[in-house]
Amino acid sequence: AQTVTQSQPEMSVQEAETVTLSCTYDTSESDYYLFWYKQPPSRQMILVIRQEAYKQQNATENRFSVNFQKAAKSFSLKISDSQLGDAAMYFCAYQVSGAGSYQLTFGKGTKLSVIP
Amino acid sequence: KAGVTQTPRYLIKTRGQQVTLSCSPISGHRSVSWYQQTPGQGLQFLFEYFSETQRNKGNFPGRFSGRQFSNSRSEMNVSTLELGDSALYLCASSLRGSVGAYGYTFGSGTRLTVV
Repeated sequence: AQTVTQSQPEMSVQEAETVTLSCTYDTSESDYYLFWYKQPPSRQMILVIRQEAYKQQNATENRFSVNFQKAAKSFSLKISDSQLGDAAMYFCAYQVSGAGSYQLTFGKGTKLSVIP
Repeated sequence: KAGVTQTPRYLIKTRGQQVTLSCSPISGHRSVSWYQQTPGQGLQFLFEYFSETQRNKGNFPGRFSGRQFSNSRSEMNVSTLELGDSALYLCASSLRGSVGAYGYTFGSGTRLTVV
């Protein structure tokens, strides 16, 4: 069974600084997708960034970027120029690629606080 | 376009009762998934529906069931409620569900409290 581990239950960052959230996963599959979701107090899970395992290039979305290390099964999220609106729970998630796979496996989450 | 709509937002039920939660996906999305979120267990997959068929089910007891209608709207039902069923229930929709590249769009969830 696939598992996703987020080792940092809570983190804080000064506004305008950079923070990195860690995620490791365990799988025997070779083709899969990885995601970072953000859950603010509004409760809605918002997709921040996704990475396809067969792509070596790290995904980037504006201030958000990932460091994907497939051999190490590591998928960290870097948030640059942190803003107050970035404060939220962040979840790392995994999905096997291909037909027959219809679920996301989530980590337990990291609560990010942004200090003004 | 409208997002994923879940109703109701909050619900309080008594042990032993049953409850039905509703989810309306984004227009055109045919896959609807349900997740249970609790502080202790985190986010756990319940089931996924596509074109009215359940394609995948998580490790939950038979008290948890669901269905999808021809317009892709989905409902989940929990019978004989237990205190441990108190959770945030999230619904997510996607075009097909099986391809990670499309991603999932989540609703804001239904907060169920069992007393």
